[in-house]
Amino acid sequence: DIQMTQSPSTLSASIGDRVTITCRASQSISYWLAWCQQKPGKPPKVLIYKASTLESGVPSRFSGSGSGTEFTLTISSLQPDDFATYYCQQYDSYPITFGGGTKVEIK
Amino acid sequence: EVQLVESGGGLVQPGGSLRLSCAASGFTFSASWMSWVRQAPGKGLEWVANIKGDGSEKRYVDSVKGRFTVSRDNPKNSLYLQMDNLRADDSAVYWCAKYSGSYSFENWGQGSLVTVSS
Repeated sequence: DIQMTQSPSTLSASIGDRVTITCRASQSISYWLAWCQQKPGKPPKVLIYKASTLESGVPSRFSGSGSGTEFTLTISSLQPDDFATYYCQQYDSYPITFGGGTKVEIK
Repeated sequence: EVQLVESGGGLVQPGGSLRLSCAASGFTFSASWMSWVRQAPGKGLEWVANIKGDGSEKRYVDSVKGRFTVSRDNPKNSLYLQMDNLRADDSAVYWCAKYSGSYSFENWGQGSLVTVSS
């Protein structure tokens, strides 16, 4: 199974900060990586797929990069609506696996 | 607009069974892979199962193999998850999701809570 390791697990930031979350795969997954955002009591919402493609309707302050085993999600200027938990997820091979999540908190 | 509505969750004793349903609309259901994903209270996300549009291919996470069965009824636009021999660690919110090999989990339902407890 492909293990997905996210860091940090918790991140404290202020409005307007640039935020970067890292995800590492235990083996190469090419660009088959998605990022999703989850708020309490809600289902996840896809932000980015194929490592760097922004889902329709997602603000342009979100961006993704990377390939192979190293990936990043960047929020260029943190907004109040962005405080949530973020997960990376590989869909290169079964079983589909998620990272442990990064909770973005208000500093 | 894609809509996915889960039902069938509830409280069940260890060793018991439960069947989750997901009613789909707003897209060509029979042409779409579908998924079940779960999240235990306070924990992260875990993919559970996928099923191809025609039902000919099914995949499961190891922890549910032999206990859970994913199926679909395309004329009814419905997805199912039959869960047998349930354990306490199966307690979670279960979501159905529309899946594609390009986009991954494109759309999600609102979830159905399953609690396994005596």
